[in-house]
Amino acid sequence: EAQVTQNPRYLITVTGKKLTVTCSQNMNHEYMSWYRQDPGLGLRQIYYSMNVEVTDKGDVPEGYKVSRKEKRNFPLILESPSPNQTSLYFCASGNRDASSYNEQFFGPGTRLTVL
Amino acid sequence: AQSVTQLDSQVPVFEEAPVELRCNYSSSVSVYLFWYVQYPNQGLQLLLKYLSGSTLVKGINGFEAEFNKSQTSFHLRKPSVHISDTAEYFCAVSNKWGTYKYIFGTGTRLKVLA
Repeated sequence: EAQVTQNPRYLITVTGKKLTVTCSQNMNHEYMSWYRQDPGLGLRQIYYSMNVEVTDKGDVPEGYKVSRKEKRNFPLILESPSPNQTSLYFCASGNRDASSYNEQFFGPGTRLTVL
Repeated sequence: AQSVTQLDSQVPVFEEAPVELRCNYSSSVSVYLFWYVQYPNQGLQLLLKYLSGSTLVKGINGFEAEFNKSQTSFHLRKPSVHISDTAEYFCAVSNKWGTYKYIFGTGTRLKVLA
C-alpha cells in the first residue's frame, strides 16, 4: 500500500530533551516536507526537500532540523524542544509526475507535547 | 504576500442538505488551487485540484469546486452531504509549478447533523 508513515504517533517529552520524529514514504517521491498544524493557524511548512541531500527552510523553521540522506526518509529533529513546539506535525511527499504535480500525500500525524 | 482566507471556521449542516465552504485567495499571478480533507485523527487527503482548463473541478466523494479568477475564489460545494463528510477542510494555493510551496487556509470544520 502506497503510504507515508510517521513515528511516533504520540509523544510527550520535557523541555530540552532532544527528539526525532521519523517519516518514511514508499512511493519513490522526490519531494518531502514537514508541516505543523495549530488551532486557528492551519498548516505551516517547517522544512522541505526537493530531493536527496537538498533541503530548504519553509515558513517556520526555527528550532527544527531535517536531513535527507535517503529518498524515502525525512526525519524531523528537535535538538532542544520547547513548549511552543507543542503541536500536531505532518509529513508529506509528492512526485514530479505531470498529472499529480503539486499534489501532496500526507502521513497520519504526530502529536507532540513538550512540558 | 500570498494569503488564503477561509472565512467560516465551522459550518453545521443537516444530512442531505447542500453545503458550500468558502475559500478566497490573494494573488496577482497564476495559481494552482487545492482542497484537502482531514478526517478525525487522520492526515490530509486531496479532494480536488485546479491546475488549468475548466474552471469547474470535480473531486472525490461528490465534491466539486469552481475557480473564479475575477473574484479570486475557489469555493467547495456538495449538493447533498452525508454524516461521513464530517471533517475539517483546508483550501491551499500554490503559485509556482513544481515547488510544492503551498499556503494553507486555517480550515473549515464541517459538522453534518442527523
